[in-house]
Amino acid sequence: QSVVTQPPSASGTPGQKVTISCSGGSSNIGSNYVCWYQQLPGTAPKLLIYKNDQRPSGVPDRFSGSKSGTSASLAISGLRSEDEADYYCATWDDNLRGVFFGGGTKLTVL
Amino acid sequence: EVQLLESGGGLVQPGGSLRLSCATSGFTFYTYAMTWVRQAPGKGLEWVSTISGSSDATYYADSVKGRFTISRDNSENTLYLQMNSLRAEDTAVYYCAKVSPSLPSLNYWGQGTLVTVSS
Repeated sequence: QSVVTQPPSASGTPGQKVTISCSGGSSNIGSNYVCWYQQLPGTAPKLLIYKNDQRPSGVPDRFSGSKSGTSASLAISGLRSEDEADYYCATWDDNLRGVFFGGGTKLTVL
Repeated sequence: EVQLLESGGGLVQPGGSLRLSCATSGFTFYTYAMTWVRQAPGKGLEWVSTISGSSDATYYADSVKGRFTISRDNSENTLYLQMNSLRAEDTAVYYCAKVSPSLPSLNYWGQGTLVTVSS
């Protein structure tokens, strides 16, 4: 059983808003920051969101993150074809003393 | 420009050893913790290990604890991962990444190096 859980897939049409969820527990998401990564096919992951809702420079403001309790979400507005990728959430777990990635969500732009 | 370049991957037999290197440039290496993350073929990301800037703290995933050792040479701006007692399930692309501002935030990644464990 995964420490942090994401839906395996999500989809949307160009221009739409899509939200990807990340669910955990009190020892991980509930008490630590969440990050989000984008991995385009055949490339290394890229940091999209850190500290729950902060965007690194260069990341478009179409991408936003939020956290509430033991769950977090990544929202992508104004969906574009180039957003088609795998998205991963990640957090630290205080009990297991490690970083845990969600299983990843494959986003398809229809 | 921050650059991370992994090397040392390849084909190794089960039970064998391999040492990965990650040469870095473009930032003050010794002030940042560094991390290894792996990705098995067609699978998701898995955190492997993290080392502090001064090497006084190291962390490992349970799946590699006792078999892998992370280290760094701050004079050479290089990160290492010594992998012993390799298993088929260690087959993956191994990425090195820079931690900033703190775990689990990895703001720069290398391109990865493939490790294949097979007889």
